[in-house]
Amino acid sequence: QVHLQQWGAGLLKPSETLSLTCAVNSGSFSGYYWSWIRQPPGKGLEWIGEINHSGTTNYNPSLKSRVTLSIGTSRNQFSLKLTSVTAADTAVYYCAREHPMGRGVPDMWGQGTTVTVSS
Amino acid sequence: QSALTQEASVSGTVGQKVTLSCTGNSNNIGDYAVGWYQQISHGAPKTVMFGNSLPSGIPDRFSGSKSGTTASLTISGLQPEDEANYYCSTWDYSLSAWVFGGGTKLTVL
Repeated sequence: QVHLQQWGAGLLKPSETLSLTCAVNSGSFSGYYWSWIRQPPGKGLEWIGEINHSGTTNYNPSLKSRVTLSIGTSRNQFSLKLTSVTAADTAVYYCAREHPMGRGVPDMWGQGTTVTVSS
Repeated sequence: QSALTQEASVSGTVGQKVTLSCTGNSNNIGDYAVGWYQQISHGAPKTVMFGNSLPSGIPDRFSGSKSGTTASLTISGLQPEDEANYYCSTWDYSLSAWVFGGGTKLTVL
Protein backbone atom coordinates (compact mmCIF):
# COMPACT_ATOMS: atom_id res chain seq x y z
CA GLN A 1 0.00 0.00 0.00
CA VAL A 2 1.31 3.43 -0.96
CA HIS A 3 2.19 5.64 1.98
CA LEU A 4 3.32 9.26 1.88
CA GLN A 5 5.59 10.49 4.66
CA GLN A 6 6.46 14.16 4.86
CA TRP A 7 8.79 16.25 6.99
CA GLY A 8 10.33 19.69 7.29
CA ALA A 9 10.84 22.69 9.55
CA GLY A 10 7.73 23.71 11.44
CA LEU A 11 8.68 27.19 12.68
CA LEU A 12 9.97 29.93 10.42
CA LYS A 13 10.61 33.64 10.68
CA PRO A 14 9.22 36.09 8.12
CA SER A 15 11.32 36.25 4.92
CA GLU A 16 12.77 32.76 5.45
CA THR A 17 12.32 29.86 3.03
CA LEU A 18 9.89 27.03 3.78
CA SER A 19 11.28 23.63 2.84
CA LEU A 20 9.32 20.35 2.99
CA THR A 21 9.98 16.87 1.61
CA CYS A 22 7.60 14.01 0.94
CA ALA A 23 8.70 10.39 0.50
CA VAL A 24 6.68 7.79 -1.35
CA ASN A 25 7.10 4.55 0.58
CA SER A 26 6.29 1.61 -1.72
CA GLY A 27 4.39 1.78 -4.95
CA SER A 28 5.38 3.45 -8.17
CA PHE A 29 6.69 7.01 -8.30
CA SER A 30 6.67 7.40 -12.05
CA GLY A 31 3.41 7.75 -13.94
CA TYR A 32 1.86 10.12 -11.40
CA TYR A 33 1.70 13.79 -10.60
CA TRP A 34 2.68 14.66 -7.01
CA SER A 35 1.26 17.75 -5.35
CA TRP A 36 1.46 20.04 -2.36
CA ILE A 37 -1.70 21.41 -0.79
CA ARG A 38 -2.03 23.69 2.22
CA GLN A 39 -4.71 24.64 4.72
CA PRO A 40 -4.45 27.85 6.77
CA PRO A 41 -5.91 27.69 10.27
CA GLY A 42 -9.70 27.53 10.13
CA LYS A 43 -9.76 27.76 6.34
CA GLY A 44 -10.13 25.52 3.32
CA LEU A 45 -7.66 23.68 1.09
CA GLU A 46 -5.38 25.50 -1.36
CA TRP A 47 -3.37 23.81 -4.09
CA ILE A 48 0.26 24.91 -4.28
CA GLY A 49 1.63 22.99 -7.23
CA GLU A 50 2.48 19.63 -8.78
CA ILE A 51 5.41 17.77 -10.29
CA ASN A 52 5.74 14.48 -12.15
CA HIS A 53 8.62 12.01 -12.24
CA SER A 54 10.13 13.80 -15.24
CA GLY A 55 10.20 17.10 -13.39
CA THR A 56 7.33 18.72 -15.26
CA THR A 57 5.66 21.25 -12.98
CA ASN A 58 2.47 23.27 -12.70
CA TYR A 59 2.02 25.93 -10.04
CA ASN A 60 -0.84 27.87 -8.49
CA PRO A 61 -0.66 31.23 -10.29
CA SER A 62 -1.01 33.10 -7.00
CA LEU A 63 2.11 31.42 -5.55
CA LYS A 64 4.13 30.77 -8.68
CA SER A 65 6.72 33.49 -8.10
CA ARG A 66 7.74 32.01 -4.73
CA VAL A 67 7.34 28.25 -5.25
CA THR A 68 9.74 25.62 -6.52
CA LEU A 69 8.95 21.90 -6.64
CA SER A 70 11.70 19.39 -7.29
CA ILE A 71 12.35 15.66 -7.41
CA GLY A 72 14.70 14.25 -4.80
CA THR A 73 17.91 12.46 -5.68
CA SER A 74 16.47 9.19 -4.42
CA ARG A 75 13.75 9.54 -7.11
CA ASN A 76 10.97 8.54 -4.74
CA GLN A 77 10.93 11.89 -2.98
CA PHE A 78 9.72 15.31 -3.97
CA SER A 79 10.19 18.64 -2.27
CA LEU A 80 8.60 22.04 -1.84
CA LYS A 81 10.39 25.34 -1.37
CA LEU A 82 8.43 28.52 -0.70
CA THR A 83 10.50 31.68 -0.43
CA SER A 84 9.94 34.92 1.47
CA VAL A 85 7.33 33.50 3.80
CA THR A 86 4.98 35.71 5.80
CA ALA A 87 2.36 35.02 8.46
CA ALA A 88 -0.10 34.37 5.63
CA ASP A 89 1.87 31.22 4.80
CA THR A 90 1.10 29.72 8.21
CA ALA A 91 -0.79 26.52 7.44
CA VAL A 92 -0.82 22.75 7.54
CA TYR A 93 0.96 21.55 4.41
CA TYR A 94 0.02 18.22 2.81
CA CYS A 95 1.72 16.25 0.08
CA ALA A 96 -0.55 14.16 -2.12
CA ARG A 97 -0.61 11.86 -5.11
CA GLU A 98 -2.90 12.75 -7.97
CA HIS A 99 -5.40 10.08 -8.95
CA PRO A 100 -4.08 8.25 -12.03
CA MET A 101 -7.44 8.66 -13.78
CA GLY A 102 -8.27 12.20 -12.80
CA ARG A 103 -6.57 15.56 -12.95
CA GLY A 104 -6.92 17.73 -9.88
CA VAL A 105 -8.03 14.87 -7.64
CA PRO A 106 -5.71 13.45 -4.97
CA ASP A 107 -6.14 9.80 -4.03
CA MET A 108 -3.39 9.58 -1.40
CA TRP A 109 -2.46 12.16 1.23
CA GLY A 110 0.49 12.68 3.54
CA GLN A 111 -0.05 13.15 7.25
CA GLY A 112 0.42 16.92 7.12
CA THR A 113 3.09 19.24 8.50
CA THR A 114 2.18 22.30 10.53
CA VAL A 115 4.22 25.33 9.51
CA THR A 116 4.06 28.49 11.58
CA VAL A 117 5.60 31.77 10.46
CA SER A 118 6.24 34.11 13.35
CA SER A 119 8.86 36.61 14.37
CA GLN B 1 -13.30 33.23 -3.07
CA SER B 2 -13.06 29.57 -4.07
CA ALA B 3 -13.30 28.55 -7.71
CA LEU B 4 -15.81 25.85 -6.80
CA THR B 5 -18.91 26.64 -4.73
CA GLN B 6 -20.07 24.41 -1.89
CA GLU B 7 -22.73 24.86 0.77
CA ALA B 8 -21.24 26.24 3.97
CA SER B 9 -23.16 23.77 6.11
CA VAL B 10 -25.51 20.84 5.79
CA SER B 11 -27.13 18.81 8.54
CA GLY B 12 -29.05 15.58 8.78
CA THR B 13 -30.19 12.98 11.25
CA VAL B 14 -28.84 9.47 11.62
CA GLY B 15 -30.15 7.28 8.83
CA GLN B 16 -31.16 10.19 6.62
CA LYS B 17 -29.89 10.79 3.07
CA VAL B 18 -28.00 14.01 2.49
CA THR B 19 -26.54 15.50 -0.68
CA LEU B 20 -23.64 17.93 -0.86
CA SER B 21 -23.08 19.93 -4.02
CA CYS B 22 -20.04 21.41 -5.75
CA THR B 23 -20.64 23.92 -8.54
CA GLY B 24 -18.07 25.10 -11.04
CA ASN B 25 -18.08 25.96 -14.72
CA SER B 26 -17.28 24.56 -18.16
CA ASN B 27 -13.54 25.05 -17.59
CA ASN B 28 -13.45 22.65 -14.64
CA ILE B 29 -16.34 20.47 -13.53
CA GLY B 30 -17.89 20.60 -16.96
CA ASP B 31 -14.92 18.71 -18.40
CA TYR B 32 -13.24 16.82 -15.54
CA ALA B 33 -14.12 14.32 -12.85
CA VAL B 34 -14.53 15.67 -9.34
CA GLY B 35 -12.98 14.34 -6.16
CA TRP B 36 -14.48 14.56 -2.67
CA TYR B 37 -12.52 14.59 0.58
CA GLN B 38 -13.58 14.07 4.18
CA GLN B 39 -11.70 15.89 6.92
CA ILE B 40 -12.56 14.98 10.46
CA SER B 41 -11.62 17.36 13.23
CA HIS B 42 -8.44 18.89 11.71
CA GLY B 43 -7.00 15.54 10.66
CA ALA B 44 -5.59 14.87 7.21
CA PRO B 45 -8.19 14.78 4.43
CA LYS B 46 -9.29 11.39 3.14
CA THR B 47 -10.52 10.84 -0.40
CA VAL B 48 -14.04 9.39 -0.29
CA MET B 49 -15.07 9.70 -3.95
CA PHE B 50 -13.52 10.10 -7.38
CA GLY B 51 -16.19 10.89 -9.94
CA ASN B 52 -18.69 8.15 -9.19
CA SER B 53 -16.04 5.64 -8.10
CA LEU B 54 -15.66 4.62 -4.48
CA PRO B 55 -12.08 4.24 -3.22
CA SER B 56 -11.21 1.05 -1.41
CA GLY B 57 -12.38 1.03 2.19
CA ILE B 58 -15.02 3.74 1.81
CA PRO B 59 -18.55 2.60 2.77
CA ASP B 60 -20.98 2.19 -0.10
CA ARG B 61 -23.42 4.61 1.51
CA PHE B 62 -21.26 7.26 -0.23
CA SER B 63 -22.02 7.91 -3.90
CA GLY B 64 -21.03 10.55 -6.42
CA SER B 65 -22.62 12.07 -9.51
CA LYS B 66 -22.34 15.01 -11.87
CA SER B 67 -24.76 16.99 -13.99
CA GLY B 68 -23.31 19.66 -16.22
CA THR B 69 -21.14 21.89 -14.05
CA THR B 70 -22.39 20.63 -10.69
CA ALA B 71 -21.09 17.55 -8.89
CA SER B 72 -22.81 15.93 -5.94
CA LEU B 73 -21.81 13.68 -3.06
CA THR B 74 -24.68 11.74 -1.54
CA ILE B 75 -24.52 9.93 1.77
CA SER B 76 -27.37 7.45 2.21
CA GLY B 77 -27.99 6.25 5.72
CA LEU B 78 -26.07 8.99 7.52
CA GLN B 79 -23.91 7.81 10.43
CA PRO B 80 -22.49 9.79 13.37
CA GLU B 81 -18.95 9.16 12.11
CA ASP B 82 -19.81 10.98 8.85
CA GLU B 83 -19.76 14.31 10.68
CA ALA B 84 -16.88 16.20 9.08
CA ASN B 85 -15.88 18.89 6.65
CA TYR B 86 -16.16 17.84 3.01
CA TYR B 87 -14.21 19.41 0.16
CA CYS B 88 -14.38 18.95 -3.60
CA SER B 89 -11.74 19.57 -6.25
CA THR B 90 -10.92 19.10 -9.90
CA TRP B 91 -8.69 20.45 -12.66
CA ASP B 92 -9.32 23.80 -14.35
CA TYR B 93 -7.82 23.87 -17.83
CA SER B 94 -8.12 27.61 -18.27
CA LEU B 95 -6.04 28.13 -15.11
CA SER B 96 -3.89 25.01 -15.60
CA ALA B 97 -4.42 24.46 -11.91
CA TRP B 98 -6.26 22.38 -9.36
CA VAL B 99 -9.30 24.16 -7.91
CA PHE B 100 -11.00 23.44 -4.61
CA GLY B 101 -14.37 24.24 -3.12
CA GLY B 102 -14.57 26.16 0.13
CA GLY B 103 -15.84 23.11 2.01
CA THR B 104 -19.13 21.99 3.58
CA LYS B 105 -19.49 21.33 7.29
CA LEU B 106 -21.74 18.29 7.67
CA THR B 107 -23.41 17.97 11.05
CA VAL B 108 -25.12 14.76 12.13
CA LEU B 109 -27.94 15.63 14.50
